[in-house]
Amino acid sequence: EPEVTQTPSHQVTQMGQEVILRCVPISNHLYFYWYRQILGQKVEFLVSFYNNEISEKSEIFDDQFSVERPDGSNFTLKIRSTKLEDSAMYFCASKDRGAYEQYFGPGTRLTVT
Amino acid sequence: GEDVEQSLFLSVREGDSSVINCTYTDSSSTYLYWYKQEPGAGLQLLTYIFSNMDMKQDQRLTVLLNKKDKHLSLRIADTQTGDSAIYFCAESPTTSGTYKYIFGTGTRLKVLA
Repeated sequence: EPEVTQTPSHQVTQMGQEVILRCVPISNHLYFYWYRQILGQKVEFLVSFYNNEISEKSEIFDDQFSVERPDGSNFTLKIRSTKLEDSAMYFCASKDRGAYEQYFGPGTRLTVT
Repeated sequence: GEDVEQSLFLSVREGDSSVINCTYTDSSSTYLYWYKQEPGAGLQLLTYIFSNMDMKQDQRLTVLLNKKDKHLSLRIADTQTGDSAIYFCAESPTTSGTYKYIFGTGTRLKVLA
């Protein structure tokens, strides 16, 4: 069964450093998302991406964040200058056209020290 | 506004039924979802219900939807220790146009042997 994959599973970085979180969505899906979950809190929407552009972003997704689909398979989330409060689990999800359900990857745990 | 609320904890004995409740605010949501998150793992889609349905049954899972009260519930019959996890309900407001999810706070289900 096709699945969404994410790498790395755990990333430790120092405050102020740039990180790139990678996702490989399900191959025929067209809608892509990033969510984050701070430890013990709810899963929050960050950004949606369709047709090679951001279709919606939340207040959390400020200028420090960017997304890219550099090729036909990868979908990346970049944080330019990480802050302590960026420490969270980041989930990638994808959705097929005509479907409503999203499929989530296993997440990347980002720890900013 | 968009908000989804759940009770935080539920404890049941093995073999009993579990009922996890959720209230949501956006009546435009076409589908409502239940996801399961096991410790350290990603979000697994359990089931979903179309907004014009009152009930959906899928093996041990029964979803009830009261659209008037914006109340969703997930019943797990014959609860097993393997059902211990956090359960998230989510709505997907059609007004957003991007099918993003709004997640609830999550209900931690503990199944006692």
